[in-house]
Formats: sequence, C-alpha cells, structure tokens
Amino acid sequence: SYVLTQPPSVSVAPGKTASIPCGGNNIGDTVVHWYQQRPGLAPVLVIYYDSDRPSGIPERFSGSSSENTATLTISGVEAGDEADYYCQVWDRSSDHWVFGGGTKLTVL
Amino acid sequence: EVQLVESGGGLVQPGGSLRLSCAASGITFSSYEMNWVRQAPGKGLEWVSLISTSGGVTYYTDSGKGRFTISRDNAKNSVFLEMNSLRVEDTAVYYCACAGGDGPSPFDHWGQGTLVTVSS
Repeated sequence: SYVLTQPPSVSVAPGKTASIPCGGNNIGDTVVHWYQQRPGLAPVLVIYYDSDRPSGIPERFSGSSSENTATLTISGVEAGDEADYYCQVWDRSSDHWVFGGGTKLTVL
Repeated sequence: EVQLVESGGGLVQPGGSLRLSCAASGITFSSYEMNWVRQAPGKGLEWVSLISTSGGVTYYTDSGKGRFTISRDNAKNSVFLEMNSLRVEDTAVYYCACAGGDGPSPFDHWGQGTLVTVSS
C-alpha cells in the first residue's frame, strides 16, 4: 500500500518560514491535500490540490509538489500556527485515502 | 454554516458492536462523498471508510473490511458507521468528513468527533 512519510517534528522561530515535507513514491503524479490539527480540535483543510487555499486560510500557507516530495510552506510563522500537519493522497491502486504520519510544528 | 455532528460513541467490550451517526447541515448532503476518519489516542489520522454520493460505492480500510459497514440516508442528511467485532485497537476518536467536487476531493469539513473506547 502507498506510504506517505513526514518528519515527526519541525521547529521554527516566529516570523520565519516553515517547510513541512511529505514523501511518497511519484507523489508529484497525484494531488495532495494538507490539514492542520490544533490540540483537541478536528482537522482543518489548509491546502488542497497541491497548492490551492480554501477561503479563510491566510496567504502565508502555500503548497507545492514534485517528483517524490510534496511540501507545505508556512511563511511568517505565528504562534497560532503551532499544530500537527497531515498530508493526504488518494491511492488509486487500493482505492484508499492515505494520510502521512503527521508533523508537529513547534514555534520557538 | 456547515455542521457535521457525530454521535454514538462510547465504551464497548472487545467483540461488541457500535453504530456511529453523523448528521450534516449547511450543505447539499447528497452532493458530497462522506468519509469516516479515526485518531487513536496520541496518534495520527487514519482513514476508515468512504461512501459515494448515492451510497452505491463504498471503500474500507483493510482493518475494517468485513467488520465495518458504512451507509447513508440522503433524506435525513446522515451517514452511519456500523462497527462489529470491535477490537482494543479500534479505540479512537471517530470523525466524519465530507468531500465535494470531482476527482480525489479534499475533506472540506469535519465533525468534532466521537470517542469509541474498546475495553474490558
């Protein structure tokens, strides 16, 4: 089955840029969605179809995908961005949705 | 405002059964695929099941195949997850989530979750 690999944690100082990678075999050939989950709350969609932002999501959030890595980038990181972030793809070979293991973003 | 409200969670013994419900409002329910996603305590997200807009197509995670059944009632704007032969490892918060649009659509909205605890 398809596997998405994320680093368990990423740390960044306020105002800096955080990059959260999501590795998968030929992930650039499929679409990737990203979710933010703050402690105790349900996930929220922050990026869809690799790089689109839902209404209400700040422009500081962006996404890209190429070859074997998709990346969520958060520029001008704020304390409120501290959360777990998950990537997601549809695995056509198994007809399953697949989530990455999640990355905990810590704002120093 | 879109709302998805799950119910039906609780404490159940191993081998037991539970039926989860998710009531939707603020969306044209029949136009959305519906999904169940779970999160074990301290763990990441795990997709559980999907049902198509008409209910004619369903998919399950491997661990749920043969034990879980997803269904929907478009007249009542609700989706259900029948869970049988429950195992300790099924303990998790179960979220329902809706996905609109064409292709592998993102999960636009999520409920607040309902906790299922499988323990003797």
